[in-house]
Amino acid sequence: DGGITQSPKYLFRKEGQNVTLSCEQNLNHDAMYWYRQDPGQGLRLIYYSQIVNDFQKGDIAEGYSVSREKKESFPLTVTSAQKNPTAFYLCASSISLGWGEQYFGPGTRLTVT
Amino acid sequence: AQSVTQPDIHITVSEGASLELRCNYSYGATPYLFWYVQSPGQGLQLLLKYFSGDTLVQGIKGFEAEFKRSQSSFNLRKPSVHWSDAAEYFCAVGAGAGGTSYGKLTFGQGTILTVHP
Repeated sequence: DGGITQSPKYLFRKEGQNVTLSCEQNLNHDAMYWYRQDPGQGLRLIYYSQIVNDFQKGDIAEGYSVSREKKESFPLTVTSAQKNPTAFYLCASSISLGWGEQYFGPGTRLTVT
Repeated sequence: AQSVTQPDIHITVSEGASLELRCNYSYGATPYLFWYVQSPGQGLQLLLKYFSGDTLVQGIKGFEAEFKRSQSSFNLRKPSVHWSDAAEYFCAVGAGAGGTSYGKLTFGQGTILTVHP
């Protein structure tokens, strides 16, 4: 079945450590996205990628970094510079940027203490 | 910049009752509009979408939504709610080609639906 996988489902880290969240899709989509979800705030866009080796900052990119070396993969690194990293992180993809709906993965809940 | 408002944070209905979830958007041109549903701790599932054409859109699970340009609204409706519909619902607006926010979705804050038996 085609879809988006995110791993792990739950992630725990100590403050000051960088952590990388995985996102893989087998939908053959060109565009991929990372969102952060906090209670009562909806989804906020962190980074998005239109194509391999290209990505753009979203609305809340500070303290995060991404790479897009393969079409299928779009990992997100939460760095120690992110002041409030505890959140639910969602990865999504679409056929291309600005075309078609976005399909979402199951999410990763990151807790930093 | 585009924006979305979902005025109701929490709605409670009885099973079998009708449902309407409100969504108002702000965008300078014809928007792309979406409704997604999220169960606790899960990802988002697309219920329906509006790109162009017929302003009454049918989706999955018996949901429908109507695009009203004059009211900048895209309200979600269901004639008879089932207990399994309890979840959080998100309205989203996307910009088409040429817009400064091209390709990006802006989400509302969500409406939590509780269904009483």
